Amino acid sequence: GENVEQHPSTLSVQEGDSAVIKCTYSDSASNYFPWYKQELGKGPQLIIDIRSNVGEKKDQRIAVTLNKTAKHFSLHITETQPEDSAVYFCAASPAGGSYIPTFGRGTSLIVHP
Amino acid sequence: DVKVTQSSRYLVKRTGEKVFLECVQDMDHENMFWYRQDPGLGLRLIYFSYDVKMKEKGDIPEGYSVSREKKERFSLILESASTNQTSMYLCASSSHRRGSEQYFGPGTRLTVT
Repeated sequence: GENVEQHPSTLSVQEGDSAVIKCTYSDSASNYFPWYKQELGKGPQLIIDIRSNVGEKKDQRIAVTLNKTAKHFSLHITETQPEDSAVYFCAASPAGGSYIPTFGRGTSLIVHP
Repeated sequence: DVKVTQSSRYLVKRTGEKVFLECVQDMDHENMFWYRQDPGLGLRLIYFSYDVKMKEKGDIPEGYSVSREKKERFSLILESASTNQTSMYLCASSSHRRGSEQYFGPGTRLTVT
């Protein structure tokens, strides 16, 4: 089955800096790669996603890049703000049959004011 | 506004008790999921349902069962709670469309003493 590795497990940055979280996946059949943000006391919420026919996608301060050849994808947050502090999860969904995503173990992002 | 609700935010049960966790979604989604979230281990899938009365085991189904009698409701059952089932439980739903966003509930923090 699919295996998703996520790094780093913890990331501490100063307000205004950029943050990058990286994930690798194993199943070349995966074609949907969402990123979720989980704030304290809440369930994860989708913040951005990318499909395998696209190499990069941006939404204001966040962007996701995908390298299908190397089987890795990354989340980039620019001009970080304290409200970006949360746990971020990447996931990969296979193309065939199952709609069950495989999640990375999460990255705790701390943005210091 | 789309919504996934869970019956309790916090629950304390004794070892050996039967525990019911309820999840309801209002988006007419076909798929529903139960995850367990523990520090450092990310989101682990317990059970998945792709239709009424249908269920599939996830990665860690031992000690759990599920019920889906109506499309909008998915229940997780701990037949005889044990201390190692103390955890955060998250419910999610998604549509049948391949590569579809998951919507998560706020979670239930279960403590078994």
